[in-house]
Order: sequence, then structure tokens, then C-alpha cells
Amino acid sequence: QITLKESGPTVVKPTQTLTLTCTFSGFSISAPGVGVAWIRQPPGKALEWLALIYWDDDKRYSPSLRRRLTITKDSSKNQVVLTMTNMDPVDTATYFCARRSPMIYTSDIWGHGTMVIVSS
Amino acid sequence: DIVMTQSPDSLPVSLGERATIHCKSSQSVLYNSNHKNYLAWYQQKPGQSPKLLIYWASTRESGVPDRFSGSGSGTDFTLTISSLQAEDVAIYYCQQYSTTPWTFGPGTKVEIK
Repeated sequence: QITLKESGPTVVKPTQTLTLTCTFSGFSISAPGVGVAWIRQPPGKALEWLALIYWDDDKRYSPSLRRRLTITKDSSKNQVVLTMTNMDPVDTATYFCARRSPMIYTSDIWGHGTMVIVSS
Repeated sequence: DIVMTQSPDSLPVSLGERATIHCKSSQSVLYNSNHKNYLAWYQQKPGQSPKLLIYWASTRESGVPDRFSGSGSGTDFTLTISSLQAEDVAIYYCQQYSTTPWTFGPGTKVEIK
């Protein structure tokens, strides 16, 4: 059974750096074709893709957020970490991580998400 | 970026009736090399994470009821719920994964009329 779980702070202050961890089980991020993506959703709004890291450490970012994002993986811990610098209230959202399936090339399994509020 | 649009924004449908959602991409998401459309549909119920329904534009994910079907190619796609059930009330998103950044449509809210 494949599962993913997001963890991180619920509240961050403006200008701070957010660090989110996706801990997964049931698959290996070292397996060819596998990836883990981060997607966010502000309250009442649509989904926004943020970043994706592939099994071979190739990394892709949203162009509009590229300067603020870093995605890394730790295969030994089954974790993917997303950092976002210079947080702003508009970054308030639920942040999801999801597996990129090696068979269908998009996200097939998602975590439950973690809510992040940016407030002073 | 490939821009995804959806219509309608909101779709009231009577139980047992058909629901049809349209999705359009600003560029083709069809790969000629494998003849696949890199287009997925997700269902999101309140307080839940999105659930994959359809990939390759028309392939149902395992476990998804056959009342859900996807069609279309290139830039124009449709998700159809053949006979709406109460548990289908949700927001439906299309998403292209032909190139990064992956992009989602704004969503269509399906509700009971």
C-alpha cells in the first residue's frame, strides 16, 4: 500500500522559510520513473503545482516560484523535503505531496495535506 | 506554461442525470510519439485530497466507477458522469502533465439540483 504524509509547521511568520517534509511508504523514490511532487491549494481556491523531483534527482519547479523553492530527497529515509523562502500571507494554503507514477507519469497517490498559515 | 480552462464553473445536476465537464488546454497535450494525451481528471471532495479518476485522457483509474468516462484529444477534453450519484458531489479538476510546470484547471463544482 502506497501512502504519503506531509508534515511541517502550521503557522509561519512573514519572511520566514517554510520547510515541509513528505514521508512516504510503499514505493522507492530510487525506482526508475518515480517522482514526488508538491502541490498547494489556498483556501477555497484551485490546485497549484509547485515542484517535482524525479528518481534520478532531476528537479522541476514552478517558474513563478522558482527562486523561492528547493526540493530535495533522502532515499534512505523515504522523504522528500520542500523549502520555500520569504513566506507571505498569500502563501497560506494546504500543501500536498503526491507520487508521480512511473506508469502513468502523473500523480496517482496523494497525501492528506498539511495546512500552513502565514501570519505575524 | 500551458493554461487549462474548464467549463462550467458550477454544474447543478439531478440525481441519475448526466454531468458533462469541459476542459481546454492552451497547447496540445498529445504526444505524437506514443499517441497519448497527457491529461488527467481529479475529484476533490470537501476536506479531502484530490483523487485520480482518469489519466491519458480516457483511462479510468483502478476502482473508479464506470459511470465516469473521459474523452477528447489535443486541446479539448470532456469528463462525463453518466448517472450522477449523491457521492459524486465534488469539485473536478483537469490537469495536464505533458510538460512542467504541470497545470490544473480552475475546477468545476458538481452539485445536486
